[in-house]
Amino acid sequence: DIQMTQSPSTLSASVGDRVTITCRASQSIDRWLAWYQQKPGKAPKLLIYKASNLETGVPSRFSGSGSGTEFTLTISSLQPDDFATYYCQQYHTLRTFGQGTTVEIK
Amino acid sequence: QVQLKESGPGLVKPSQTLSLTCSVSGGSISTVSYYWSWIRHLPGKGLEWIGYINYNGNSYYNPSLKSRVTMSVDSSKNQFSLKLSSVTAADTAVYYCARDGGQVVPVAFDSWGHGTMVAVSA
Repeated sequence: DIQMTQSPSTLSASVGDRVTITCRASQSIDRWLAWYQQKPGKAPKLLIYKASNLETGVPSRFSGSGSGTEFTLTISSLQPDDFATYYCQQYHTLRTFGQGTTVEIK
Repeated sequence: QVQLKESGPGLVKPSQTLSLTCSVSGGSISTVSYYWSWIRHLPGKGLEWIGYINYNGNSYYNPSLKSRVTMSVDSSKNQFSLKLSSVTAADTAVYYCARDGGQVVPVAFDSWGHGTMVAVSA
C-alpha cells in the first residue's frame, strides 16, 4: 500500500502570508497527486491535479509542484476564504489520502 | 456539469450491513473515461478511500476494507451503490460518492456528492 504523509498537521498563518504544505509518498507516484480543500460540513473541493495542474475556477494563488515522492501545495497570499483543511491524494496505485493539514488563523 | 447525490439510512445497527446509493445526473455513468468512488470522512479524522467501480462493474477496494465491501453499478438508473458489512461504531462517518478520473482523465476526484452521515449504533 502507498502511504501519504502530510506536514505540518496544523499551520497557523495570517492573511497575506505565503503558505506551503508538504506531502510525501512512501514510494514513487510519478505525478499522480491531487490536492483538495475541505471546509467543515462540506465536501472536499479539488484544487490541483496531476501535481501541478490548477482545476478550472481555482484562484491562481494556489499552486502545486513535485514529482516522485515529494510534493508541495503553495498558497502565495493567504486569503480569509483559505482557512480550511487541505488533503493530498495519490492515484498512482488505487487511492490514498494524506492525513490532512489544517490552516488556522494566527 | 455532473452532479452526484448520496442516499440511504442514517442509522445502522452494529453487525448489520450499511447500504448507500449514489445517483448521478448531468452525465452518464456508462462512460469509459471515469471510475465512480466512495470515500468517507471519519469523525475527527481524515478522508479514507473505500473503493471504486467502473461502468462495466469492475471494482477495486481499499485493502483495509476489502473483506467487507461490495460495490455495484446500475446503468439503467445511472446509479452506483456501496454495501459495507459487519459494521461497528468505527464505521460511523460521513460517506461521499465522487467521480474519479483516475489516470485516463487525470483530474482525480473532480465532482463530489454533498455527503451523507451514517451512524452505527444500537
